[in-house]
Amino acid sequence: GQNIDQPTEMTATEGAIVQINCTYQTSGFNGLFWYQQHAGEAPTFLSYNVLDGLEEKGRFSSFLSRSKGYSYLLLKELQMKDSASYLCAVRAPGLSGYSTLTFGKGTMLLVSP
Amino acid sequence: GAGVSQSPSNKVTEKGKDVELRCDPISGHTALYWYRQRLGQGLEFLIYFQGNSAPDKSGLPSDRFSAERTGESVSTLTIQRTQQEDSAVYLCASSLPDSGTRRNEQFFGPGTRLTVL
Repeated sequence: GQNIDQPTEMTATEGAIVQINCTYQTSGFNGLFWYQQHAGEAPTFLSYNVLDGLEEKGRFSSFLSRSKGYSYLLLKELQMKDSASYLCAVRAPGLSGYSTLTFGKGTMLLVSP
Repeated sequence: GAGVSQSPSNKVTEKGKDVELRCDPISGHTALYWYRQRLGQGLEFLIYFQGNSAPDKSGLPSDRFSAERTGESVSTLTIQRTQQEDSAVYLCASSLPDSGTRRNEQFFGPGTRLTVL
């Protein structure tokens, strides 16, 4: 089966740095995604990792270690608008042979002034 | 617009009624996915269409749930004899074809909020 774990909630202050961890156990692996979801809105794509290492994109970075089944999303210079749920998702072959995404339950990040 | 669209945005129905939810994917996206998101929960995979291949229905929770897709366009998710536990946001997403490790991220529609009374 597929299992993805991430913390339920995190809090941080404006201007700070926060790291959201994700661990996974899946049958197969074709990449790991991070999505951002504001309350009442659809998820939007943030980052993608398929090889080990760090991917940096502006204030957001994502890290992957396939041998450890571990990823993290790093958010720098936090802004109030970063308050949202952050979803970790692993793509792996499904029963059909095509790949499907399995999502974690999401980490609700609250940024305070 | 060029994004994924879904209708209706909200649906309130009585227990036991059937509902039909619609998804219009991004043009050219042959892959289409349906998810369910209960309040405060993550996304639960329901079904996946890839071109003209047989869909992956492994996530459908019961035989009351079914989905259709015509070619590479519109998809409908049907829930028969709705139950209160079906209340959730139903999200549709589309992407370029599955191709191993290429990014091909999923683009999500705004969702349909279903409330079963």
